[in-house]
Amino acid sequence: NAGVTQTPKFRILKIGQSMTLQCTQDMNHNYMYWYRQDPGMGLKLIYYSVGAGITDKGEVPNGYNVSRSTTEDFPLRLELAAPSQTSVYFCASSKGTGEKSNQPQHFGDGTRLSIL
Amino acid sequence: AQRVTQPEKLLSVFKGAPVELKCNYSYSGSPELFWYVQYSRQRLQLLLRHISRESIKGFTADLNKGETSFHLKKPFAQEEDSAMYYCALSGLGSNYGQNFVFGPGTRLSVLP
Repeated sequence: NAGVTQTPKFRILKIGQSMTLQCTQDMNHNYMYWYRQDPGMGLKLIYYSVGAGITDKGEVPNGYNVSRSTTEDFPLRLELAAPSQTSVYFCASSKGTGEKSNQPQHFGDGTRLSIL
Repeated sequence: AQRVTQPEKLLSVFKGAPVELKCNYSYSGSPELFWYVQYSRQRLQLLLRHISRESIKGFTADLNKGETSFHLKKPFAQEEDSAMYYCALSGLGSNYGQNFVFGPGTRLSVLP
């Protein structure tokens, strides 16, 4: 299994451009997540999905959109890139949650995005 | 609101010395705590979780609800332990996506 795969690994955008960060997983996980990590900070949740067709906002959703048409894919879209969106983006997936235990998350390698 | 703090951005120890990476949390419900590690040029991966109560690569962590802490410990550090370590919290029985919080991370450097 490849696990969680993110593309591209690096990207430079101009202000106002749009792009989609791709994320796919081959573990048949229901839950998928997008995080951003700014220098010296922890990961902040942007959006998450508990299954195909279901998405919800995390802590910092403004400026981003997601879709979940299949179990495997969870792309993150930036419509109008702004310098504040310069960050490292991580996609993750997990089996799910429960009353007694939450399944751990599996992460991709990350996408380093710079907005100039 | 839930929060995870890791007071040390950088921790340097010599090989063979004991290591303790601190993690404190605030959460009103029943928490589940994790430690994730990111080695150089590798992806973030789970190191251990408090529910498992196991030792991974010589590391252990005990959840102390009285002190709201989940410190990561290893009696004898090795050079290959050098990495970024993140403490994370999720709320049991809650909306997982909204209640999964990472700390800012501690970079552990083990010197020869």
